[in-house]
Amino acid sequence: AQKITQTQPGMFVQEKEAVTLDCTYDTSDPSYGLFWYKQPSSGEMIFLIYQGSYDQQNATEGRYSLNFQKARKSANLVISASQLGDSAMYFCAMREVNTGGFKTIFGAGTRLFVKA
Amino acid sequence: GAVVSQHPSRVICKSGTSVKIECRSLDFQATTMFWYRQFPKKSLMLMATSNEGSKATYEQGVEKDKFLINHASLTLSTLTVTSAHPEDSSFYICSGSGQVDYNEQFFGPGTRLTVL
Repeated sequence: AQKITQTQPGMFVQEKEAVTLDCTYDTSDPSYGLFWYKQPSSGEMIFLIYQGSYDQQNATEGRYSLNFQKARKSANLVISASQLGDSAMYFCAMREVNTGGFKTIFGAGTRLFVKA
Repeated sequence: GAVVSQHPSRVICKSGTSVKIECRSLDFQATTMFWYRQFPKKSLMLMATSNEGSKATYEQGVEKDKFLINHASLTLSTLTVTSAHPEDSSFYICSGSGQVDYNEQFFGPGTRLTVL
């Protein structure tokens, strides 16, 4: 079974608008971390935001926020005020503490296109 | 965040030769290193996890005799692709983790391997 599911292969957003990238996950481990990474065409993985399974509040980092809905097992990334430089591949990832051996596994990714 | 370097960034080799990729943690001690491969327009697939001084743990379906991983020090891990074939052409990314902390995993810039 897929542990991390990103159902949007591609998304378009107008510059300066907000966009939500979907991510759902599956785990029975009570301790886990959820991550979002950006991968531009250069290939480097850029860490954006992190949410711990026990965190009560949604994580925010500048223009990035993570809409964490634990009961639904979703961890959507919201990018506000999109910029042309946000065009890239975005990966949702999860790290299970007790059962996963601290391995980080990735979803299939969503390619975001920001239109001028 | 901490810095992980990879060398070479790009390599082209003939079929049947072996290629070594180095991954270095420059400003932290990476007790655990992860190696991923990424096919074009696809997600990162974990190949193996290595702890300093121990044998690597390979994911299901990854040939350990084909992809030799050495993690001899806290700052260096190497991946050797032995007897490379065109189907081994891929983007290889290493990642280092230094502590037992959910969000401490730092990625290298990747190595693009092309086997002719």
